[in-house]
Amino acid sequence: QSALTQPASVSGSPGQSITISCTGTSSDVGSYNLVSWYQQHPGKAPKLMIYEGSKRPSGVSNRFSGSKSGNTASLTISGLQAEDEADYYCCSYAGSSPLFGGGTKLTVL
Amino acid sequence: EVQLVESGGGLVKPGGSLRLSCAASGFTFSSYSMNWVRQAPGKGLEWVSSISSSSSYIYYADSVKGRFTISRDNAKNSLYLQMNSLRAEDTAVYYCARGKSGSYGYWGQGTLVTVSS
Repeated sequence: QSALTQPASVSGSPGQSITISCTGTSSDVGSYNLVSWYQQHPGKAPKLMIYEGSKRPSGVSNRFSGSKSGNTASLTISGLQAEDEADYYCCSYAGSSPLFGGGTKLTVL
Repeated sequence: EVQLVESGGGLVKPGGSLRLSCAASGFTFSSYSMNWVRQAPGKGLEWVSSISSSSSYIYYADSVKGRFTISRDNAKNSLYLQMNSLRAEDTAVYYCARGKSGSYGYWGQGTLVTVSS
């Protein structure tokens, strides 16, 4: 199985909104409502931001939201803040083996 | 507070073996599926292996199948990864993570495995 497809980089100014896409296939993203999104700052462990497509773990800002259409999932960050600058990874259940995206570097201008 | 602490990483020659451990605390370890996820230097995340709460279900990525073995000891609140026949491409930070189906709410700090002659 190939990794899910994410844009290598996105950028936005403070206060703006950005969306990161995550494209899979009908065997993974399209088949399950089990897409997660992770934020990773340099040298740190990943942090779960969204699970089951659109749910936020306790403590995660409501500026982060997730959605899905067909084989593509999306992470939207509204009201961009400097601390949002990080790498973001999507992950989809794909039967017995979860599949990660290649990662997207978010730059806050 | 949930804590996951990995250990056992280090430098190993190609073809060698290493055993990683993950000590869990702050939650009922025996109730949760556990996983290993790795990240090669400067690269993205890659799921490696998962084990269900009672060890009934075990899964591996194709890239490690037949070489790596995941196990757990619920009495010791510990997760393990036995890595044999190591290759240069196994060089990565290995994270222990709690959760299932790609949703991992808690991660350790990671342990670095370097495979080099």
